[in-house]
Amino acid sequence: KNEVEQSPQNLTAQEGEFITINCSYSVGISALHWLQQHPGGGIVSLFMLSSGKKKHGRLIATINIQEKHSSLHITASHPRDSAVYICAVKEVRGAQKLVFGQGTRLTINP
Amino acid sequence: DADVTQTPRNRITKTGKRIMLECSQTKGHDRMYWYRQDPGLGLRLIYYSFDVKDINKGEISDGYSVSRQAQAKFSLSLESAIPNQTALYFCATSDRGASGEAEQFFGPGTRLTVL
Repeated sequence: KNEVEQSPQNLTAQEGEFITINCSYSVGISALHWLQQHPGGGIVSLFMLSSGKKKHGRLIATINIQEKHSSLHITASHPRDSAVYICAVKEVRGAQKLVFGQGTRLTINP
Repeated sequence: DADVTQTPRNRITKTGKRIMLECSQTKGHDRMYWYRQDPGLGLRLIYYSFDVKDINKGEISDGYSVSRQAQAKFSLSLESAIPNQTALYFCATSDRGASGEAEQFFGPGTRLTVL
């Protein structure tokens, strides 16, 4: 079992829909990252959080440390939101590295 | 100008050749990382460096070596390339962060094909 599991693996929606991408992890963490990978391959950091909730524009990230779960929400989705969204965690113990999920491919149709 | 740059962006080479991928950053960050990405797999850490005198192996360092020439430069070498090293390679940088953790800034990636 992967340490970081994302669901769904693929998601197709219509423009304007509310989107939720989930990330579950099995280890104690010090931080969780959400990243966006554009169709051209570039990766951008969206959020880093260790508790609670963060919001940036139409993007909202939440984390529940007790349940070892995080969600990324997109409100009023737009075709330009089409990308792969990646969850990564930093373990409290162990090597100084991020453990990445496999990503969720999101397609927003006009 | 991009804060994290990688050269080359694309490279096709043959088995057994030595290849160097270069990464430069203007963010002033101490920490730099090399990752590879394969289809269907998450990003995996090859090497990381927390300062010029600090080099650490990641989870898949076999077949790779690195050099931290300066705070701003971190190079990845494949001493003798093999086909299963065909992948997308990313360099990333980060600050230390107040709690020892900070967001990472990624370069545009290098697509390497080993024939």
